[in-house]
Amino acid sequence: EAGVAQSPRYKIIEKRQSVAFWCNPISGHATLYWYQQILGQGPKLLIQFQNNGVVDDSQLPKDRFSAERLKGVDSTLKIQPAKLEDSAVYLCASSFPKAVYEQYFGPGTRLTVT
Amino acid sequence: GNSVTQMEGPVTLSEEAFLTINCTYTATGYPSLFWYVQYPGEGLQLLLKATKADDKGSNKGFEATYRKETTSFHLEKGSVQVSDSAVYFCALIRNTGGFKTIFGAGTRLFVKA
Repeated sequence: EAGVAQSPRYKIIEKRQSVAFWCNPISGHATLYWYQQILGQGPKLLIQFQNNGVVDDSQLPKDRFSAERLKGVDSTLKIQPAKLEDSAVYLCASSFPKAVYEQYFGPGTRLTVT
Repeated sequence: GNSVTQMEGPVTLSEEAFLTINCTYTATGYPSLFWYVQYPGEGLQLLLKATKADDKGSNKGFEATYRKETTSFHLEKGSVQVSDSAVYFCALIRNTGGFKTIFGAGTRLFVKA
């Protein structure tokens, strides 16, 4: 069974530039999560989708971050404009709707903002 | 608010030593508790879970018991191997007001041969 796919794996940009990350969840997983993991900290939930609807985006900095999940499958997370403090690993995870306890994580995208 | 506190790392042990990684939590309601592991270069993987007080989660020789009276969920293993070297994250999912996973900061474990 294929796991959660993310791309790119690494990205370096300058502050004030924009960047986008892509995630393809495990087939059949209706719930998709984006986490931000700053070095030395645990992952922090940014946004959670159920199919293509947002369940929780309370910790998403909406002035610069946006996410979408068209057609309820792939998802894109965008940052515009980026700040130095956005340097982190961005993790995507997915699960069945009634199995929030069983989240499967992708390898992450490491973003460096200079 | 809801939070998870783990012991700071890194933890360095020799092979076959006993492992304990402490985890305590603060939560409203009755959360479910988890340990995730992140091996070098890989994504997080669920290691074990416990969904109610006094439950014991176990997997791959690791164990953790949900202690409501001490709000703890310490991870233990009787004999660690070099292959257990990884970062371990304690986490909770609160069961009130929606399901949001809250992670601790992680504890890095090094096991020497």
